Amino acid sequence: SQQGEEDPQALSIQEGENATMNCSYKTSINNLQWYRQNSGRGLVHLILIRSNEREKHSGRLRVTLDTSKKSSSLLITASRAADTASYFCATDFIPLIQGAQKLVFGQGTRLTINP
Amino acid sequence: EAGVVQSPRYKIIEKKQPVAFWCNPISGHNTLYWYRQNLGQGPELLIRYENEEAVDDSQLPKDRFSAERLKGVDSTLKIQPAELGDSAVYLCASSFLSRDTEAFFGQGTRLTVV
Repeated sequence: SQQGEEDPQALSIQEGENATMNCSYKTSINNLQWYRQNSGRGLVHLILIRSNEREKHSGRLRVTLDTSKKSSSLLITASRAADTASYFCATDFIPLIQGAQKLVFGQGTRLTINP
Repeated sequence: EAGVVQSPRYKIIEKKQPVAFWCNPISGHNTLYWYRQNLGQGPELLIRYENEEAVDDSQLPKDRFSAERLKGVDSTLKIQPAELGDSAVYLCASSFLSRDTEAFFGQGTRLTVV
């Protein structure tokens, strides 16, 4: 399947530092979304960036999108212990055929914030 | 407003037994997804509905998996018979049927096949 790929797979930082996660994808997209998943829980939507947008902010989150490089980054500023979770990018990609797979998730980045 | 509701939360069954998962999406959401998530991996799409129509089931192992969405609202996912490799978390999500919308996820059903 045409998944996004997150980098790094795991990230451990000190509380108060910034955390940056990257996502690369393969095909043209309508939008790219970031989700958070706490251990044993469902996914929670964080932010959506459309294909014609280059940067978006939401609180301590900053997302960039470079469609020419087919990549996105998620920056969490001033991290907190509660930010410890897995973060996934999901691409809502333009299918080649009607009904083809949409909203495809990557493998995720496991973020640990140390107090 | 209630979110996406899934049941059961946990299920332990012996291999070769059948199992069913239920999902109640957010009211008004036309699109419903079933994903499977293995430990340490991202969710993988099994099937996507638009209203009552399964518009993408290319990733659904049809020899043992089946799904239905009655009246375009609730959905059930069934496995018969279950295999050891089916152990995973099964996630249901829903969204509006329009461009650039987010998906809302349920808490998932953790299936263990022994």
